[in-house]
Amino acid sequence: TQLLEQSPQFLSIQEGENLTVYCNSSSVFSSLQWYRQEPGEGPVLLVTVVTGGEVKKLKRLTFQFGDARKDSSLHITAAQPGDTGLYLCAGPDMNRDDKIIFGKGTRLHILP
Amino acid sequence: DTGVSQDPRHKITKRGQNVTFRCDPISEHNRLYWYRQTLGQGPEFLTYFQNEAQLEKSRLLSDRFSAERPKGSFSTLEIQRTEQGDSAMYLCASSQGLGNSPLHFGNGTRLTVT
Repeated sequence: TQLLEQSPQFLSIQEGENLTVYCNSSSVFSSLQWYRQEPGEGPVLLVTVVTGGEVKKLKRLTFQFGDARKDSSLHITAAQPGDTGLYLCAGPDMNRDDKIIFGKGTRLHILP
Repeated sequence: DTGVSQDPRHKITKRGQNVTFRCDPISEHNRLYWYRQTLGQGPEFLTYFQNEAQLEKSRLLSDRFSAERPKGSFSTLEIQRTEQGDSAMYLCASSQGLGNSPLHFGNGTRLTVT
């Protein structure tokens, strides 16, 4: 079974600190997506990474796709309370690439 | 683009009752997905459609669950004889179904079975 494992499950840090969360698998993914979900809402796409070793930046967020395309990381610089939320990684199932599976997420809480 | 809408937002039902949820995807999107999410977990795949064709249904789903997308536009998810373990957020998403098209999610239907 193809799984996406995210770590840590929970992270609570002070405003202004830096942090990194991880998405790992034993399987190769053709691409990975990162979503953020706020309470009472559906997930919203942040970024898609496609090429092994790819780095994408979205303001203070930096996303990296592992060289082997089995893992990805999200680094947040100078975290702000508005970054609070559930961060989910997702990728296409190996047998059906239009079927998208999700990790369990990292719940991030930024303390003001 | 009015986004993906789901109805109702909340549903409270007694164990054993049937419930039906509706999802209206973004109009030009041909793919529609249903996920279930429990507290603190990521979305769990339930089923998905390409236009009106149901492509796959999760093996985790019992026969009490059924989904339809009769005209390739809106979709319904029905749960028969609800159980307390069905309590969750049910999320619908749509996409253009091209390459790495992102999923656009609705805000979900929260089901509570008492």
